[in-house]
Parts: sequence; C-alpha cells; structure tokens
Amino acid sequence: QKEVEQNSGPLSVPEGAIASLNCTYSDRGSQSFFWYRQYSGKSPELIMFIYSNGDKEDGRFTAQLNKASQYVSLLIRDSQPSDSATYLCAPLEGGGNKLTFGTGTQLKVEL
Amino acid sequence: GAVVSQHPSWVICKSGTSVKIECRSLDFQATTMFWYRQFPKQSLMLMATSNEGSKATYEQGVEKDKFLINHASLTLSTLTVTSAHPEDSSFYICSAIQGEQAHTDTQYFGPGTRLTVL
Repeated sequence: QKEVEQNSGPLSVPEGAIASLNCTYSDRGSQSFFWYRQYSGKSPELIMFIYSNGDKEDGRFTAQLNKASQYVSLLIRDSQPSDSATYLCAPLEGGGNKLTFGTGTQLKVEL
Repeated sequence: GAVVSQHPSWVICKSGTSVKIECRSLDFQATTMFWYRQFPKQSLMLMATSNEGSKATYEQGVEKDKFLINHASLTLSTLTVTSAHPEDSSFYICSAIQGEQAHTDTQYFGPGTRLTVL
C-alpha cells in the first residue's frame, strides 16, 4: 500500500510569513512529485512539480525534494489570505502514471 | 491551455437511477484520463484510469459494473454511475494528461461534479 503522509493541520500563519508544508511518501520508486492546491468545494489546481533532488522555485513557491529521506516539502513565501486552502502532495507512482494523494494540509493565512 | 471541463457540475438524482458525467479536454488531446472520487474531509481516491479506445483499468475495490467508463475519443471520457444509491453521493473529479509520460505531462483536473443521491 503506497502511502503519503501530510499533517492535516490547520497550519496557521500570519500574512506575509513563510508557510512550510511537509510530505513523506512510501513508494521509493516515485520520481516525480506534484503539489496541488484545493479550495473548499473545488477541484485541485496544480502549483508545481519537482523531480530532482534539491529546490525548485516558481514565484512565491519553492518545492524541496529529498528522495533519500522520501520527503518533499512546499514553501510559500509572503503568504496571502488567498493562499488559504488545502495543499495536496501527490507522488507519481514509480514506472506508472498514477498519482497517490495525501490527505492534505489545511493552511490558514491570517490577517 | 490545458483546460478540462466536466458536465454537469452538480446533479441530484433519486436512488436507483443512473447518472452520466462527462469529462472533456478542451484544448488538447488526452491520451489518458483519470476518474477520482472525494468524500468530505478526505483526499482524492483514484477510481479508474481511462485510455482512449480501450477498456478502463479500475482500482481495487471499485465496481466496474457500477461505474461504467467510456473513453470514446481523445477529448471525451464519460463516467456513468449505475443504480446510484445514497452512499455514492460524492464529489467526482476527472483529470487528463496530454501525452504518454506523466513525468512531464501534468494531470489537469476538471472542476468536478457533485453528485447527491436521494
């Protein structure tokens, strides 16, 4: 059973702060990792993906990957109230095209 | 680009009836589409993988005779919930990838269909 673990939260951060969202996964064969944002009642929308160890930056978002530790994270700089949502970590199965979703971390950015 | 639509966005039906949900890729050809189900406060659970022109591959525990999937073209996949019951009430979401490699071809999600079975 492939597992993806995320702290369900809620994670509360003040506006303008850095939000750090963490995810661990069990499938050692996973090579690509996706972060999605899901607002309440809506479908997921892609934030970014990463497949190399290290950091990948895209605007206010930075994904970090450590395959040895089976750990991936998402940093959100200068958090805004509009960032308040549930963030889903989704490793791509090794050798396949299916995503396994974590339960997500609820982020609340407070004014 | 990479827009996926779903229709209807919500549906209410009586127990025992069948409901069809459409998933379309609007600006690209989707070789593979996925169907997910999401219950309140839970994560997305993959139901099946749909490839154009072939039978869908269902995840363990998903009844293929109850959830009929047809991927008749590179832009359209349909999910039919047959003989729906209240426990089938959920948020059904489809996604699509453009090419053969999900490594670089992201799954683009449709807006979802909220099904309520009375």
